[in-house]
Amino acid sequence: KAGVTQTPRYLIKTRGQQVTLSCSPISGHRSVSWYQQTPGQGLQFLFEYFSETQRNKGNFPGRFSGRQFSNSRSEMNVSTLELGDSALYLCASSRLAEQFFGPGTRLTVL
Amino acid sequence: QKEVEQDPGPLSVPEGAIVSLNCTYSNSAFQYFMWYRQYSRKGPELLMYTYSSGNKEDGRFTAQVDKSSKYISLFIRDSQPSDSATYLCAMSRSIGSGGGADGLTFGKGTHLIIQP
Repeated sequence: KAGVTQTPRYLIKTRGQQVTLSCSPISGHRSVSWYQQTPGQGLQFLFEYFSETQRNKGNFPGRFSGRQFSNSRSEMNVSTLELGDSALYLCASSRLAEQFFGPGTRLTVL
Repeated sequence: QKEVEQDPGPLSVPEGAIVSLNCTYSNSAFQYFMWYRQYSRKGPELLMYTYSSGNKEDGRFTAQVDKSSKYISLFIRDSQPSDSATYLCAMSRSIGSGGGADGLTFGKGTHLIIQP
């Protein structure tokens, strides 16, 4: 069974721009979660989607948003990028409690 | 006080040793506990998942949860150089209907080095 896939793998943007990241979950998984990983803060929960609805949200500003499509694929968007948004963005899918992560998208904001 | 505390290491041990990795937590509502392994520039890989107190074994890995002490451990037997990675503990309070935890809370990770 194919794992979680994320595109693109690497992105370079400048301050003020916006970015959209994509995640395809494991087949049959309906829950998709997004996390931000930085050296200083570690892995932090952004939000979780289930059946096209945001079910849980972490403590991030409204510049971070997401959505989920009927095929469970998900996208996250970051608007008005800041230098501090440089991070590895990870998507995880789950059917039960275990969450399986993709390889991540490494975003660099210049 | 952070919700989940984990010693960042690095922890360096010789090949073949038993490794003990630990996390403490402050929120008694956590019910689900996981250990992930993360290699450099890769996504975290799920190693072990446990619910409530007790031990769970899978091959060379044993996960232990002591909810009364708010303490979880991961033991690695017969450690190999390929086990060198960052190990992250994670936990959550509940599972949503249809699956998916309510957002995992992670420790900062312990960097483990197995010396050949």
